[in-house]
Amino acid sequence: GDSVTQTEGLVTLTEGLPVMLNCTYQTIYSNPFLFWYVHYLNESPRLLLKSSTDNKRTEHQGFHATLHKSSSSFHLQKSSAQLSDSALYYCALASSSFSKLVFGQGTSLSVVP
Amino acid sequence: GGIITQTPKFLIGQEGQKLTLKCQQNFNHDTMYWYRQDSGKGLRLIYYSITENDLQKGDLSEGYDASREKKSSFSLTVTSAQKNEMAVFLCASSMGLGHEQYFGPGTRLTVL
Repeated sequence: GDSVTQTEGLVTLTEGLPVMLNCTYQTIYSNPFLFWYVHYLNESPRLLLKSSTDNKRTEHQGFHATLHKSSSSFHLQKSSAQLSDSALYYCALASSSFSKLVFGQGTSLSVVP
Repeated sequence: GGIITQTPKFLIGQEGQKLTLKCQQNFNHDTMYWYRQDSGKGLRLIYYSITENDLQKGDLSEGYDASREKKSSFSLTVTSAQKNEMAVFLCASSMGLGHEQYFGPGTRLTVL
């Protein structure tokens, strides 16, 4: 079945350094939809960005990700981490527009001064 | 815009007790979900409902029941709470299965 792997459970970064959170996926379908959700403490999880287009960079709120079907990856990046970026980040996959989302294990990002 | 409300925000129960969590959405979304969030295990799908009269088991349905009372509401029942169980239960809704999901604030369960 479909699966999503986020290799890092916890990432601790110094403010100002670049962020990269890894996400790889497995599906037999050729046109998946990939999502990044962010869950700040005491808030509801919300969509950060999404993509279904191969090799096209998607950006939102300073974060960006590019879907690479050749490597089944959708890594989340930001050029400079801010303290306010500390949160839990989930990568998710829908193998088609009629499939339920499959979430990865989540990566907790902690940005320190 | 819309909003998802979950009640209660905190739920404390006793071992073996039957506990019910409620979720309401005003997005007019067809599809609703219940997830369990545990540290290091991500979001695990318990039950989902594609449309108003539908109910589907997720990956973690054992020990739970669900009910889609109407389009806007979706309840989850813990049939027999397990001692030392602690988790956050998140409700979500979407236009359809592969679409963006909107989440509620969660219910934090503690079983004594």
